Amino acid sequence: QQQVKQSPQSLIVQKGGISIINCAYENTAFDYFPWYQQFPGKGPALLIAIRPDVSEKKEGRFTISFNKSAKQFSLHIMDSQPGDSATYFCAATPHGSSNTGKLIFGQGTTLQVKP
Amino acid sequence: EAGVTQSPTHLIKTRGQQATLRCSPISGHTSVYWYQQALGLGLQFLLWYDEGEERNRGNFPPRFSGRQFPNYSSELNVNALELEDSALYLCASSPGRLQETQYFGPGTRLLVL
Repeated sequence: QQQVKQSPQSLIVQKGGISIINCAYENTAFDYFPWYQQFPGKGPALLIAIRPDVSEKKEGRFTISFNKSAKQFSLHIMDSQPGDSATYFCAATPHGSSNTGKLIFGQGTTLQVKP
Repeated sequence: EAGVTQSPTHLIKTRGQQATLRCSPISGHTSVYWYQQALGLGLQFLLWYDEGEERNRGNFPPRFSGRQFPNYSSELNVNALELEDSALYLCASSPGRLQETQYFGPGTRLLVL
């Protein structure tokens, strides 16, 4: 079964702190790992994405770390700000033509950054 | 550049009725994807359309169907509505079949009473 497990379910961080969200997958090869940010009442917006041949990707305050052997990847938000308070989803695109087009999403993490 | 648009924003139906949801992709995008975001269940892949054809579907019953029009806009139809169909339905688009990045619209919130 194709699954992406995301943790924690919720996270509270002080302003200026580091937010870390973890995802793990099993039993399936995935080709592409995007992270999405969703604010209440809005659709998910692409934040940053990585491919399995890269171990780390950084864009501004957002960094994805990828561990292919452990089948784990994580999002780090440096210098977290109240405006980062949102729900974050990891996702993965399964390998294979029958899976083309499908994104498998984690369950989501609700982040609250306290001022 | 306008993003993905969806209509209506909210829809209230009763059990057994049919619901029709609409999506307009980003200009130049040919692929449209539909997802269901039910409370506590995350985002579940429903359907993928590209160049007017259904290319893939998720693990949903046949009463979930749709189509893509020549202008690449898309329609999702849900027949014989059940209470558990209440959810946020999200549409996404991408520039083509081999483009992995999907851009999401704001969604249509469907409530089945």
